[in-house]
Amino acid sequence: AQSVAQPEDQVNVAEGNPLTVKCTYSVSGNPYLFWYVQYPNRGLQFLLKYITGDNLVKGSYGFEAEFNKSQTSFHLKKPSALVSDSALYFCAVRDTWQTGANNLFFGTGTRLTVIP
Amino acid sequence: GAGVSQSPSNKVTEKGKDVELRCDPISGHTALYWYRQSLGQGLEFLIYFQGNSAPDKSGLPSDRFSAERTGGSVSTLTIQRTQQEDSAVYLCASSRQGGRYEQYFGPGTRLTVT
Repeated sequence: AQSVAQPEDQVNVAEGNPLTVKCTYSVSGNPYLFWYVQYPNRGLQFLLKYITGDNLVKGSYGFEAEFNKSQTSFHLKKPSALVSDSALYFCAVRDTWQTGANNLFFGTGTRLTVIP
Repeated sequence: GAGVSQSPSNKVTEKGKDVELRCDPISGHTALYWYRQSLGQGLEFLIYFQGNSAPDKSGLPSDRFSAERTGGSVSTLTIQRTQQEDSAVYLCASSRQGGRYEQYFGPGTRLTVT
């Protein structure tokens, strides 16, 4: 079975400081990993994904994430937070071992607040 | 280009009524997904369409829920005899294919059952 954990419901960071939003996963095979962001009253927007290859992936708006197989983690990071980064962030996984299961399994989300 | 569109944006209905939610995916995307987002929770997978293949209905919570996709494009999610626990935001997403391709989400339909 596949699962995703976002251990922090809320993350607060000062503007200009680095930010990290944590995500750990559990799958039977190899994972496809995704990060999405949801702004108020809007749909989810794709940020970045890990499929294979380089463990450090770069995405939209200066975000990046590092795939760590031994720790089964895929933490989202940004070197310098902006107030406009304040939103709800979702980590998602697809287990490639489960053939036919093409849907993503989402975490419960982490609300990021960047304080001016 | 145009993104995923959904209608209506908001729907208020009385318990026991049927509702239809519509999703218009990105042109050329063969995969279409429906999810449900309840307050304070993550996204719950409902159903997946891929081309002309039989849909993956494994996430539908009860037989009151059904969906169809006509002509490989527009999809309709139908909830019969709505219950208060059906109140949620229903999100539609599409992707080029399944699997490794990212999904693009619509703005959602907020359903409130009174």
